[in-house]
Amino acid sequence: DIQMTQSPASLSASLGETVTIECLASEDIYSNLAWYQQKPGKSPQLLIYYANSLNDGVPSRFSGSGSGTQYSLKINSLQSEDVSIYFCQQNYDSPFTFGSGTKLEIK
Amino acid sequence: QVQLQQSGAELTKPGSSVKISCKASGYTFTSYDISWIKQRPGQALEWIGAINPGSGGTGYNEKFKGKATLTVDKSSSTAFMQLSSLTPEDTAVYYCAMAVTIAALDYWGQGVMVTVSS
Repeated sequence: DIQMTQSPASLSASLGETVTIECLASEDIYSNLAWYQQKPGKSPQLLIYYANSLNDGVPSRFSGSGSGTQYSLKINSLQSEDVSIYFCQQNYDSPFTFGSGTKLEIK
Repeated sequence: QVQLQQSGAELTKPGSSVKISCKASGYTFTSYDISWIKQRPGQALEWIGAINPGSGGTGYNEKFKGKATLTVDKSSSTAFMQLSSLTPEDTAVYYCAMAVTIAALDYWGQGVMVTVSS
């Protein structure tokens, strides 16, 4: 199985700041990487697919980048509604494994 | 609009089985695979497997073979997941989800909480 190592596990930042979350795959996943946002008590929602493509309706302050085994999610101008847990997932090879999640809080 | 409506919460005993459902609407049911994902309280997500509603073909995470069985009923546009030989480690929220427009899970059900307790 492809292992997805996500960091940091938690993150606290101020409103308006820029934050970055990273995901490292155990092998090349050829940009088949998605990012999800999960708010408390809710289902995950897709933010980014194919490493850097923004899903419909997702604010442009979210962006994804990376290739090979290293990927990142950047959130510019942090808003209060961004408080969530963020997960990465590789869609390259079954089983389609997820990262362990990053809990984002506001300072 | 595309919707996945899951069944209600389940409270079950160790050693028993449970079958949860995911009713699809707003699209042609046989068009897209349905995946199932497990999330234990405060834990990460685990992909259990997926089913092709048209053919009934399935793919499972090896970890869940023998634990989860995926089926569909095309007449009601509903996907099912049966979990067997339940233990407290099966206590989790289970989601159904689909990749409709892109190679990522862009539609999710609301989740079903399954609690295994004596």
